[in-house]
Amino acid sequence: AQSVTQLDSQVPVFEEAPVELRCNYSSSVSVYLFWYVQYPNQGLQLLLKYLSGSTLVESINGFEAEFNKSQTSFHLRKPSVHISDTAEYFCAVSDQGFGNEKLTFGTGTRLTIIP
Amino acid sequence: DTAVSQTPKYLVTQMGNDKSIKCEQNLGHDTMYWYKQDSKKFLKIMFSYNNKELIINETVPNRFSPKSPDKAHLNLHINSLELGDSAVYFCASSQGFEQFFGPGTRLTVL
Repeated sequence: AQSVTQLDSQVPVFEEAPVELRCNYSSSVSVYLFWYVQYPNQGLQLLLKYLSGSTLVESINGFEAEFNKSQTSFHLRKPSVHISDTAEYFCAVSDQGFGNEKLTFGTGTRLTIIP
Repeated sequence: DTAVSQTPKYLVTQMGNDKSIKCEQNLGHDTMYWYKQDSKKFLKIMFSYNNKELIINETVPNRFSPKSPDKAHLNLHINSLELGDSAVYFCASSQGFEQFFGPGTRLTVL
């Protein structure tokens, strides 16, 4: 069984300041890792993913996340946030076995950008 | 050019009624899912279908019955609705490990 922990339920940040949203996971097998973003009253959009290769992955809108196997973490960072980054962010894991690609989500972190 | 679509977007109904939510994907994916997001925003998988066959059933009450008429559609029928069924239901599809989500259906049971 897998689990995902997002320690911060809410993170307020001033505009143009850096932010880190924390994600830790637990699994007895190798996993793939994802960050999804949910803007108000919308569905989930994939922000970035780690499947293999470089442990640092980036999105097109300036977010990055680093897979740390020893610490079982996949924290999300952005060096300078914008008002439009206000959203709910979900970390998720999927085990690498084919035929069972269900996502296990964390409880989400609400990122609020303060002008 | 919507990838994953759901209807209706909002559904308000009385306890005890039966209702259905429809999902369609035009991505050519083999696998489709239903997730439930509760009032605290927690997302949990309910079902997964691969090529019209049930793959995952996460101990959902049998009042919930998914149906996949073809691999582009996965509908969710709910019998005898209860207050606790109020939530946002998301459909998703995938080919591999990246899942694409629909816009959600907000179900309110009165």
